[in-house]
Amino acid sequence: DTEVTQTPKHLVMGMTNKKSLKCEQHMGHRAMYWYKQKAKKPPELMFVYSYEKLSINESVPSRFSPECPNSSLLNLHLHALQPEDSALYLCASSQEIIAVPGTQYFGPGTRLLVL
Amino acid sequence: AQSVTQLDSQVPVFEEAPVELRCNYSSSVSVYLFWYVQYPNQGLQLLLKYLSGSTLVKGINGFEAEFNKSQTSFHLRKPSVHISDTAEYFCAVRSNTGNQFYFGTGTSLTVIP
Repeated sequence: DTEVTQTPKHLVMGMTNKKSLKCEQHMGHRAMYWYKQKAKKPPELMFVYSYEKLSINESVPSRFSPECPNSSLLNLHLHALQPEDSALYLCASSQEIIAVPGTQYFGPGTRLLVL
Repeated sequence: AQSVTQLDSQVPVFEEAPVELRCNYSSSVSVYLFWYVQYPNQGLQLLLKYLSGSTLVKGINGFEAEFNKSQTSFHLRKPSVHISDTAEYFCAVRSNTGNQFYFGTGTSLTVIP
C-alpha cells in the first residue's frame, strides 16, 4: 500500500477564515512533506517533518502553520490567507532510513481557493 | 546544490508513436533520480526511479529511463504512446545527503489521436 490521503479535496475560504488541511499515511514513513503547486508549475517545497520534528521550513509565511501530531498525520493550519495562496497543496511521505534513499509518495492534493 | 532541467515544456506526439522526454541534472554529489506523472487535477504518481545498479530503469505504464552519468541525463522514453499518457511529467533529483527533492519545470505531453 503506497497511499497518502488528503482531506478535503477542495476548499474555498475567505481571507479571515481559519481552516486546516489534513494528510495521512499508514506506510510507516517517518518523513512527511507539504508542497504548494500552482497551475503548470512544479511543486514547491514548503515544509519537511522528519520523525515528527520540523526539519525544513522553506521561508514560508507564518499564515501557514504545519503540525505533525504523530508519525501518520500531518496538518497544515491556514489563517488570514491571501488570494495568491490559491493553489494545489500536496502532501508526500517517504521512508527515512540511514543510507537508504526514500521515494516520495504523493497524495491527491487539496485544491484551495482563497477569496 | 542540485538542479534539474527539463528542456521541453510541451511535447505533442501522435498516438502509437515513440516519445522521449528529456531531463538533465547538475549535482556535485551522487544523486537519485525520479520521474513522476501528474494527470489533470491529481497528485503526482511515481513512474520510475534510479537509485543504483542497472542504468536502464523500467517503470509503470511501459515507460523506461536511462541514467547517463557522463551526460548527467535521465531521459524518459516510451516506444508507443497512448491517449491516456497525456499528462504533465516531472523529473526530480534527490541527493544522497538529504531528503529534499528538486523538481524540474515539467513537460506537458499531449498525445494526438
